[in-house]
Amino acid sequence: DAKTTQPPSMDCAEGRAANLPCNHSTISGNEYVYWYRQIHSQGPQYIIHGLKNNETNEMASLIITEDRKSSTLILPHATLRDTAVYYCIVRATFGNEKLTFGTGTRLTIIP
Amino acid sequence: DARVTQTPRHKVTEMGQEVTMRCQPILGHNTVFWYRQTMMQGLELLAYFRNRAPLDDSGMPKDRFSAEMPDATLATLKIQPSEPRDSAVYFCASGLVVSGVNEQFFGPGTRLTVL
Repeated sequence: DAKTTQPPSMDCAEGRAANLPCNHSTISGNEYVYWYRQIHSQGPQYIIHGLKNNETNEMASLIITEDRKSSTLILPHATLRDTAVYYCIVRATFGNEKLTFGTGTRLTIIP
Repeated sequence: DARVTQTPRHKVTEMGQEVTMRCQPILGHNTVFWYRQTMMQGLELLAYFRNRAPLDDSGMPKDRFSAEMPDATLATLKIQPSEPRDSAVYFCASGLVVSGVNEQFFGPGTRLTVL
């Protein structure tokens, strides 16, 4: 699986959009970008995934650059409950269900 | 509201004792994962099963750890004998792998302390 690079920490004001970047310059054509988050003392939670098109669901939006070497997770209106560690994971989908978690970005939402 | 359940939530034991952690995956999910999380190593995959068959246990210390799925509603992770370095939070996750795309649902974890 391709390696990902994320900033170790970020702050965001409550009510503003939180934009979390992820670099994955060695991503292969068959690898998806997955985002999970882990709120303190809980198990990780799936947020969203995408291959090359931008994706949106009820939790967030995922913007993938045209060359697919980086992506941004957007939480449109951050709340205090969004404070968590966010993991960007790249992996091929077919025949590989492993998730390799890096160190992630610790996002703190500030009141 | 379907969710993965894990028991016990907390376990304190002494070195050398056997520890058994249990997981009930979400009904209908065909893949079950065991992860371990420590401050030093972060989240690591220990093993996973598809349709109750072990697919990969390369992340698991073979001499003391064992993982099984006696039936579709129960996954177990055993440590015998336990050591202080096994102290960690152990997460179980389940997913339905369809057409190669899967979303993993994690349980609340078992916090293990080995004295």
